[in-house]
Amino acid sequence: SAVISQKPSRDICQRGTSLTIQCQVDSQVTMMFWYRQQPGQSLTLIATANQGSEATYESGFVIDKFPISRPNLTFSTLTVSNMSPEDSSIYLCSVVGGPSYEQYFGPGTRLTVT
Amino acid sequence: GIQVEQSPPDLILQEGANSTLRCNFSDSVNNLQWFHQNPWGQLINLFYIPSGTKQNGRLSATTVATERYSLLYISSSQTTDSGVYFCAVERGYNKLIFGAGTRLAVHP
Repeated sequence: SAVISQKPSRDICQRGTSLTIQCQVDSQVTMMFWYRQQPGQSLTLIATANQGSEATYESGFVIDKFPISRPNLTFSTLTVSNMSPEDSSIYLCSVVGGPSYEQYFGPGTRLTVT
Repeated sequence: GIQVEQSPPDLILQEGANSTLRCNFSDSVNNLQWFHQNPWGQLINLFYIPSGTKQNGRLSATTVATERYSLLYISSSQTTDSGVYFCAVERGYNKLIFGAGTRLAVHP
């Protein structure tokens, strides 16, 4: 399975500011995703991070709010822009790996917006 | 879109007890996975099981794709089994739809 790291692990931010979250994988992967988990809730897919092209966003998520970069097959960033308290969540990156397309998740970034 | 329902929403067990968690889904799927989220938030992939039965130690899972449900069995539960168990199905291009989860607390 892939080893995935995220930075920062947690942060407390002021409303109106932006935070960029990094996701690093120890091997090249084709498929990389970003999910959000609001407090006490399940996970919701934000977007697919595509290498060499724009990310593909799910309904309810837009590029201006959640810009994503994927400069190579081992790294991606998610920016949470113009934050409000409603953005307080855990943000997780995931990759598809293994012979059966299992999905593996990073440790998450716990964001609190005050 | 595909709906994923998990039951029960909450479960409290004494250490050593057995349990069964259920996941129902509303449409045929190519891929079903079970995850455990530990109290620190880390999601661990337990099973990739679009059909059939798999076992890993005290855990086993069965998916009956034709009847659109999957079961996760936990035997001889331990306090380290506590956390949230999620079922997730793929709706294409490896994009996962998660159920609401079953929150498990195992007491010594």
